[in-house]
Amino acid sequence: EVQLLESGGGLVQPGGSLRLSCAASGFTFSSYAMSWVRQTPGKGLEWVSAMSGSGGSTYYADSVKGRFTISRDNSKNTLYLQMNSLRAEDTAIYYCAKALGSVAGTSYFQHWGQGTLVTVSS
Amino acid sequence: QSVLTQPPSASGTPGQRVTISCSGSSSNIGSNYVFWYQQLPGTAPKLLIYNNNQRPSGVPDRFSGSKSGTSASLAISGLRSEDEADYYCAAWDNSLSGVVFGGGTKLTVL
Repeated sequence: EVQLLESGGGLVQPGGSLRLSCAASGFTFSSYAMSWVRQTPGKGLEWVSAMSGSGGSTYYADSVKGRFTISRDNSKNTLYLQMNSLRAEDTAIYYCAKALGSVAGTSYFQHWGQGTLVTVSS
Repeated sequence: QSVLTQPPSASGTPGQRVTISCSGSSSNIGSNYVFWYQQLPGTAPKLLIYNNNQRPSGVPDRFSGSKSGTSASLAISGLRSEDEADYYCAAWDNSLSGVVFGGGTKLTVL
C-alpha cells in the first residue's frame, strides 16, 4: 500500500525558513516523480514544485521560484521541500503527491499524503 | 485567478446528472491530458479521472470525463449525497512548465 507522510510544518515568522519532509513507502520511490501541492485553508489547489524520479529534473511555480528548493533522498525514500524567505501568502497545507511515472512534467498525481500545515505569521 | 477556469459552484438533486466545465488554453488543455481530482471535506485530493476520460480502478462509472479543444468537462450521473465535494481540473502547461489547476467547483447535492 502506498503511503506518503508529510512532516515539518508549523508556525514560522515572515522571512523565516522551514523544511518539509515526505516519507514514502509501499513503492519503489526512485522510480516515481514527486510533487508538492499546496492549499490555502478554504481555497483551491496550487502546484508548487516537482522532481523526477532520478532527481535530475525539477520544476517550480513562479510564485516560489528562487525561494523554495525541492530535493529527494532515494536511499531514504524521502522527498523534501526547503522553504526560505517565507511570506504570509505561503501559509497553506502542503501535500506531497506521487506521479504515475518517473517523469516530473505531469499533472497525474496518483497518490497524495495527508498534508502538513505551514503558517507564516508574526 | 487560476489558469484553468471552473465554475465556483454546481448543484443537483439525487439521481440527477451534473457537469462541471474546465476552460484553458492551447498551452495546457489544448496540448496535454486533463485530470480531475475530487476532494471530500477535510481530506486530501483523490484522482478521479486521468488522461481526459479514464477512470482509475475503484472510481464508479457514474463519473466520466471529456475534452474538446481547450476545454474539458466532468460529468457525474446518478448523483449521490456522497458526491458532495470540491472538484478540480488540472493539466500540464507547456508555457509555464508547470501544473495548472482550476479554481475548483464545490458540488452541492440538494
